[in-house]
Amino acid sequence: GAVVSQHPSRVICKSGTSVKIECRSLDFQATTMFWYRQFPKQSLMLMATSNEGSKATYEQGVEKDKFLINHASLTLSTLTVTSAHPEDSSFYICSARGIGTEAFFGQGTRLTVV
Amino acid sequence: AQSVTQLDSHVSVSEGTPVLLRCNYSSSYSPSLFWYVQHPNKGLQLLLKYTSAATLVKGINGFEAEFKKSETSFHLTKPSAHMSDAAEYFCVVSDNYGQNFVFGPGTRLSVLP
Repeated sequence: GAVVSQHPSRVICKSGTSVKIECRSLDFQATTMFWYRQFPKQSLMLMATSNEGSKATYEQGVEKDKFLINHASLTLSTLTVTSAHPEDSSFYICSARGIGTEAFFGQGTRLTVV
Repeated sequence: AQSVTQLDSHVSVSEGTPVLLRCNYSSSYSPSLFWYVQHPNKGLQLLLKYTSAATLVKGINGFEAEFKKSETSFHLTKPSAHMSDAAEYFCVVSDNYGQNFVFGPGTRLSVLP
């Protein structure tokens, strides 16, 4: 199946700093990418949907200025957590979908803000 | 609108015994249905998917699921549990093929020796 690579797998950052997470589709063109957040022992919650070349669509309750999403190419989307705080600590997962394909998930990024 | 219910938050079985993880869905469209597995601190791995073809779907690692439209169910089964099956399992529904994923709350499977 198609491969979606997410980097880094783990990151620890200081409170107040920004963290960038990358999501790459390695062998297909991802016209749409999705970003999810997963709290401990809970299911995945969709944060935003991004289509290549256009602004991301954020789910209700997700701060777009806090979670910056860029999808500038057909193989790369980035999620930047700005001015991170301990409550932003979570597991973030991306998925990518091409035209006529199902969505494939990345391996996830464990963010810890100290 | 779509939704997914996973009736059991935690299922515990003995190694070598059958596994049943239950999933019910609601969808305004003919749904696509998926089961994903997540091992601790790992991403999601697709176990199997139903996309309006055969109602009995076989997946990886001996898992299978049956789509029952009359019961709006898509239960996941495996004849014999293995220790490595211990993980979190998510049932997912989408409209159209791979669009608008809605995740169930997850079922944690424990496998006892």
